[in-house]
Amino acid sequence: DAGITQSPRHKVTETGTPVTLRCHQTENHRYMYWYRQDPGHGLRLIHYSYGVKDTDKGEVSDGYSVSRSKTEDFLLTLESATSSQTSVYFCAISVTGLAGGASSYNEQFFGPGTRLTVL
Amino acid sequence: DQQVKQNSPSLSVQEGRISILNCDYTNSMFDYFLWYKKYPAEGPTFLISISSIKDKNEDGRFTVFLNKSAKHLSLHIVPSQPGDSAVYFCAASEAGTALIFGKGTTLSVSS
Repeated sequence: DAGITQSPRHKVTETGTPVTLRCHQTENHRYMYWYRQDPGHGLRLIHYSYGVKDTDKGEVSDGYSVSRSKTEDFLLTLESATSSQTSVYFCAISVTGLAGGASSYNEQFFGPGTRLTVL
Repeated sequence: DQQVKQNSPSLSVQEGRISILNCDYTNSMFDYFLWYKKYPAEGPTFLISISSIKDKNEDGRFTVFLNKSAKHLSLHIVPSQPGDSAVYFCAASEAGTALIFGKGTTLSVSS
């Protein structure tokens, strides 16, 4: 258990409304991530954070913004939700280090997910 | 273009037999590979990993094999159990950066 919680766990909203999803961790990990999972697409990275106020875009960042004002919290905001953003959203933290030789490891641990439906 | 590919969307195996899940990648700079298991309504859980300096890593019933020349890795589950039925994701990273995931393979183990 990596001490990751997500809230809400389920949300139904209407097109055009703003939505904020919260990820909370209890173990002071530096790196946090937001993914979405859709059938036929696997897990796709939306945004990630490498420290307080330090964030960067992932593969599918359009329509999403993030904020990290405290180490333990990483917020994902849909400024104006669209039906294409109906998905399951997962937050993750990572543990990184040296794996031997010149390689590094990045093992990620995921929260339980938030199922978002945009009508 | 997909950098990590799981070409089999599904796999069915009988209990007690071996399950082999496959994954191909295109980026030769990937140096760390992972497998995750996901049950419905839960987050993915880390299963096993392998560094590019190795060609095999075992953990109980789970073994991951890496063939760098073929840019291919596989996950072997022996013996398979009904509780192994889940979606399995292959992932890769370069120099400790963000993971790139495949689309997943749904494993069904029948008793």
